[in-house]
Amino acid sequence: KAGVTQTPRYLIKTRGQQVTLSCSPISGHRSVSWYQQTPGQGLQFLFEYFSETQRNKGNFPGRFSGRQFSNSRSEMNVSTLELGDSALYLCASSFSETYEQYFGPGTRLTVT
Amino acid sequence: QKEVEQDPGPLSVPEGAIVSLNCTYSNSAFQYFMWYRQYSRKGPELLMYTYSSGNKEDGRFTAQVDKSSKYISLFIRDSQPSDSATYLCAPGNTGRRALTFGSGTRLQVQP
Repeated sequence: KAGVTQTPRYLIKTRGQQVTLSCSPISGHRSVSWYQQTPGQGLQFLFEYFSETQRNKGNFPGRFSGRQFSNSRSEMNVSTLELGDSALYLCASSFSETYEQYFGPGTRLTVT
Repeated sequence: QKEVEQDPGPLSVPEGAIVSLNCTYSNSAFQYFMWYRQYSRKGPELLMYTYSSGNKEDGRFTAQVDKSSKYISLFIRDSQPSDSATYLCAPGNTGRRALTFGSGTRLQVQP
């Protein structure tokens, strides 16, 4: 069974730009969660989507948004990029009936 | 105070040693507990998960949860150099797929 896939794997953007990251969950998984990982703050929860609806949201500014499509694929968007947004962005998927989350390889975003 | 505290290490042990990795948490609402292993520049890999107090064993790994003292542990038996990675504990609340991660413990197993 294929794992969680994320595209692109690496991205370099300039301050003020916006970026869209994509995540394809494991087949059959309908819940998709996004996390940000930085050396200073560690792994932090951004938001969770299920059935195209945001179910939970972490403590991040409104510049961070996401959506989920009917095939469970998800995208997250960061607008007006700041230097501090440089991080590894991780997507995780799970079945709707369980809490085990399986992570993808991440997208490494560098903001210059 | 962070909701989940984890000693960052690094923890260096010889091959074959028993490794004990620990976390404490403050949020009584946490009802399920995950352990992840993360190699450098990779995504976290789910190692163990448990939904109750007590022990759960899977091969060389044992996860232990004590909800009364808010203490969670991961034991690795017969450690191997390939176990060298960062280990992250991640509890969560029932009803929310929003894991709260510890800062991770970096483990180095010396051959």
